[in-house]
Amino acid sequence: QKEVEQNSGPLSVPEGAIASLNCTYSDRGSQSFFWYRQYSGKSPELIMFIYSNGDKEDGRFTAQLNKASQYVSLLIRDSQPSDSATYLCAVERDAGGTSYGKLTFGQGTILTVHP
Amino acid sequence: DGGITQSPKYLFRKEGQNVTLSCEQNLNHDAMYWYRQDPGQGLRLIYYSQIVNDFQKGDIAEGYSVSREKKESFPLTVTSAQKNPTAFYLCASSIGTGGIWTEAFFGQGTRLTVV
Repeated sequence: QKEVEQNSGPLSVPEGAIASLNCTYSDRGSQSFFWYRQYSGKSPELIMFIYSNGDKEDGRFTAQLNKASQYVSLLIRDSQPSDSATYLCAVERDAGGTSYGKLTFGQGTILTVHP
Repeated sequence: DGGITQSPKYLFRKEGQNVTLSCEQNLNHDAMYWYRQDPGQGLRLIYYSQIVNDFQKGDIAEGYSVSREKKESFPLTVTSAQKNPTAFYLCASSIGTGGIWTEAFFGQGTRLTVV
């Protein structure tokens, strides 16, 4: 089992729809979780981080964390063509006070929002 | 403006040559990291540094070296021992408070090609 696994893509949604991106992780001790957006040829851009169970909302984006199920998701409401990118899930690794912020990344999910 | 600056944006290396990638941050973050990204894949950790004059190997450190003489700077040298150096190199920095890691930002990346 991969340490961080994202739902296989590519994912295609119509403009205005909700895009749902999912991520599971294996390290039960992980405390910080990140979602990045990466446009082709560019560096990852931090969208959100979450560390408490439940939902965290920021504009059109909502991150959901369920530590019991080792599951984190990102919902994008009112999807726009400009949201078309690769979305990377990243999980803090080697937790228990020794992580030093090191992250393990999923392989990414390509999202396409079509007009 | 606060941020992470990587240079150069593109770098070409001849066989058997060492090259150094620059990474500078003015976010006052203690922790800095180097990741490598290959096409269609997630990021893999090369080296990380928690404080000045201290750094640790990540998952794929062979053929790479780093230094951390200043808090703001974390250069990466790709040595001739790295047999497959062509990749997109990303520098990141992060801050942790009470064991919770947030603000994990990336520079714009350096694309290294062996010629």
